[in-house]
Amino acid sequence: KAGVTQTPRYLIKTRGQQVTLSCSPISGHRSVSWYQQTPGQGLQFLFEYFSETQRNKGNFPGRFSGRQFSNSRSEMNVSTLELGDSALYLCASSPVNSGTDDGYTFGSGTRLTVV
Amino acid sequence: AQSVTQLDSHVSVSEGTPVLLRCNYSSSYSPSLFWYVQHPNKGLQLLLKYTSAATLVKGINGFEAEFKKSETSFHLTKPSAHMSDAAEYFCVVSHFSGTYKYIFGTGTRLKVLA
Repeated sequence: KAGVTQTPRYLIKTRGQQVTLSCSPISGHRSVSWYQQTPGQGLQFLFEYFSETQRNKGNFPGRFSGRQFSNSRSEMNVSTLELGDSALYLCASSPVNSGTDDGYTFGSGTRLTVV
Repeated sequence: AQSVTQLDSHVSVSEGTPVLLRCNYSSSYSPSLFWYVQHPNKGLQLLLKYTSAATLVKGINGFEAEFKKSETSFHLTKPSAHMSDAAEYFCVVSHFSGTYKYIFGTGTRLKVLA
């Protein structure tokens, strides 16, 4: 069973540019969540998508957006990049709520560097 | 409100000695609790989970954790550390409120000395 796939693994962008990151969840998982991880702030929740709808949202500015497609694949977009957006962006998928909490399966992340 | 506190930001142990990574939680509900491990430049991998079944939970790579409701703790242990255990470990509490919401601890970096 393939794991959670994130592409690309590494990105270098210039301030002011925009970037799109992609996440393919485990087959059958319909919930996809995104996290930003930095040394200073740790893991911060960005948003969660389920059945193409944003179900939860963290406390990030509107420059951060996402979407989910009918095949559960998800993308997140960051516009007008700032130096502080440099981080490891992690995608996590989980099964449909089954009455038990199975936790997340994480991808390996996309390392974004803004210069 | 739910919260999780990892009591040590760094832990160093010698190879072959026991590992103890401490986690306390606060939850108004019956929580689910998890431990994840992250190796450098990798995603997080689930080590083990507690979801109101047995209070002693066994995970992968010889790790286990005990849920102690009276102490609101979920400490992670391993009898004998291996060099490959060097990584960052995250304690996570979740609760269900329409959907599962996860709260991550700040992480404990484990160093294993030869």
